[in-house]
Amino acid sequence: AQSVTQLGSHVSVSEGALVLLRCNYSSSVPPYLFWYVQYPNQGLQLLLKYTTGATLVKGINGFEAEFKKSETSFHLTKPSAHMSDAAEYFCAVIGASGTYKYIFGTGTRLKVLA
Amino acid sequence: GAVVSQHPSWVICKSGTSVKIECRSLDFQATTMFWYRQFPKQSLMLMATSNEGSKATYEQGVEKDKFLINHASLTLSTLTVTSAHPEDSSFYICSATITGSSTYEQYFGPGTRLTVT
Repeated sequence: AQSVTQLGSHVSVSEGALVLLRCNYSSSVPPYLFWYVQYPNQGLQLLLKYTTGATLVKGINGFEAEFKKSETSFHLTKPSAHMSDAAEYFCAVIGASGTYKYIFGTGTRLKVLA
Repeated sequence: GAVVSQHPSWVICKSGTSVKIECRSLDFQATTMFWYRQFPKQSLMLMATSNEGSKATYEQGVEKDKFLINHASLTLSTLTVTSAHPEDSSFYICSATITGSSTYEQYFGPGTRLTVT
């Protein structure tokens, strides 16, 4: 069965520092992987996705993620944190080949310190 | 493109009444839509998968008679919470996928805050 693990329910970084949010997955089929951001009382916005092809994926707002099959990881990074990056971040994997059903991680709340 | 709307954005209802939440794909056709529930500071919990023209598929533990889902067209799915109780208070989010998409990406609505008094 597919699963997603996000290490660290809360991450704090200083403004301008590197952001690293961890996501590990388990999948019996080639995974499609997604990172979403959620601001308070709002829906989810796609940051980036990996389907096939290049393993380093660039997304919006300066975020990127690298698909590492050997490590079953899809960590999200941003070189320099901004105050506006403070939000909840969710990693998701497609649950089964041929379906649209996501398996979500438990989320990581990013706090950016001035 | 690929915008999903929800209406209402927030609603307060009395215990025992029913409330309907609409989810619309504004600029694309969506054969499949999903309904999620989110508790404070928690992840999204999938409630059901809604397919146009057919019955919804509910996740284990979700009461299908309490959470009625109708997907009557390729752009509209509705969730009706029947005989609502305070424990049904939550943030409900829908998502939609573009018919025929090969990337399986879900587009999320802004959510509906339901408070049952």
